[in-house]
Amino acid sequence: DSGVTQTPKHLITATGQRVTLRCSPRSGDLSVYWYQQSLDQGLQFLIHYYNGEERAKGNILERFSAQQFPDLHSELNLSSLELGDSALYFCASSVATVSPGDEQYFGPGTRLTVT
Amino acid sequence: LAKTTQPISMDSYEGQEVNITCSHNNIATNDYITWYQQFPSQGPRFIIQGYKTKVTNEVASLFIPADRKSSTLSLPRVSLSDTAVYYCLVGDYKLSFGAGTTVTVRA
Repeated sequence: DSGVTQTPKHLITATGQRVTLRCSPRSGDLSVYWYQQSLDQGLQFLIHYYNGEERAKGNILERFSAQQFPDLHSELNLSSLELGDSALYFCASSVATVSPGDEQYFGPGTRLTVT
Repeated sequence: LAKTTQPISMDSYEGQEVNITCSHNNIATNDYITWYQQFPSQGPRFIIQGYKTKVTNEVASLFIPADRKSSTLSLPRVSLSDTAVYYCLVGDYKLSFGAGTTVTVRA
């Protein structure tokens, strides 16, 4: 158990809908990262928040957005869902801002299925 | 940004040592090398990290030659439970994890 929690574990929804994925980092960790893992794309970095502020963006679509709240939990919002958004979404946390190679602790993931 | 190349898959047997080499020819001076392990439908788990020479922990060893253009993750005496995907990262997370190396350990 990494100490990172994600809810829900599974989510099935229809195209065009909007969903919110939630992540609680390990106690004391200020950084939260979101990743998407699909069969054909591997594990792709989406976005990084540190202590409530966005720090870096990766291959995140404009239909997706995220935020980190004062209690440090984070939410990833996915809207206008398409079939291709079906994937495993992981949240990870680390102690501080990522200097090259900071160890990240990953949550169990949320499996999103868009039908 | 440093790009990594590692084998797609490797097979081994229980009790053997598994060595996975990752190539990173354009590694930057301040880049660290980090390896993660991922089991199916689980999040990746940090294994080991190094900058140069050799690093060892209770799980693995990481060998980095002087030119740092490659690195080798060594898993001693693997068991069936070591069957997983192993990712080599150079630099920071924004590079994403790539395809990794699928290691299959057989009895």
